[in-house]
Amino acid sequence: DQQVKQNSPSLSVQEGRISILNCDYTNSMFDYFLWYKKYPAEGPTFLISISSIKDKNEDGRFTVFLNKSAKHLSLHIVPSQPGDSAVYFCAASKHGNKLVFGAGTILRVKS
Amino acid sequence: SQTIHQWPATLVQPVGSPLSLECTVEGTSNPNLYWYRQAAGRGLQLLFYSVGIGQISSEVPQNLSASRPQDRQFILSSKKLLLSDSGFYLCAWGPKGPQETQYFGPGTRLLVL
Repeated sequence: DQQVKQNSPSLSVQEGRISILNCDYTNSMFDYFLWYKKYPAEGPTFLISISSIKDKNEDGRFTVFLNKSAKHLSLHIVPSQPGDSAVYFCAASKHGNKLVFGAGTILRVKS
Repeated sequence: SQTIHQWPATLVQPVGSPLSLECTVEGTSNPNLYWYRQAAGRGLQLLFYSVGIGQISSEVPQNLSASRPQDRQFILSSKKLLLSDSGFYLCAWGPKGPQETQYFGPGTRLLVL
């Protein structure tokens, strides 16, 4: 049972434009959501998180939006840069630890 | 600040040989520790997690085992490797709390031939 889904395996965006990565979840008990960025042959790097009591969290070029009624979250990157090209994973947890990860979306930012 | 180390970075092992991957965390105490595997082109699969010394929970039945002999040391082992054990192994730590962010190590690429 895939509780966290990233339905787009890949996304290609022009440098300077907005990148929008999407994630859906099925478990309404999830209360904490995270996005990680991963380069090949490296460990994932934490990007940004959001608690279920919020619907938006910003950190520089990265903004995460949470729509609890739709069980959907998204990561916006504005403006996109070539160095943002990586695999992006969303993850969710309930009441601490044991993150459940999506399968990842490959983002390619073209210069 | 906290840092997490994994070694070796790359390992090529024959089928049937033993395995020992080590992970250590610095700059924190009593962390939650995790082992994940990423198969080629796939997502992250949680293998084991530990909330304290000697406390190991297994997420999936498999050929691997884990141990936590010290507070900030987490070891992934196998007595006999299988071809299917090939993959990218990631260790992570997280501070205990209701909304825990996990931080990952650099990973170990294991190729079983």
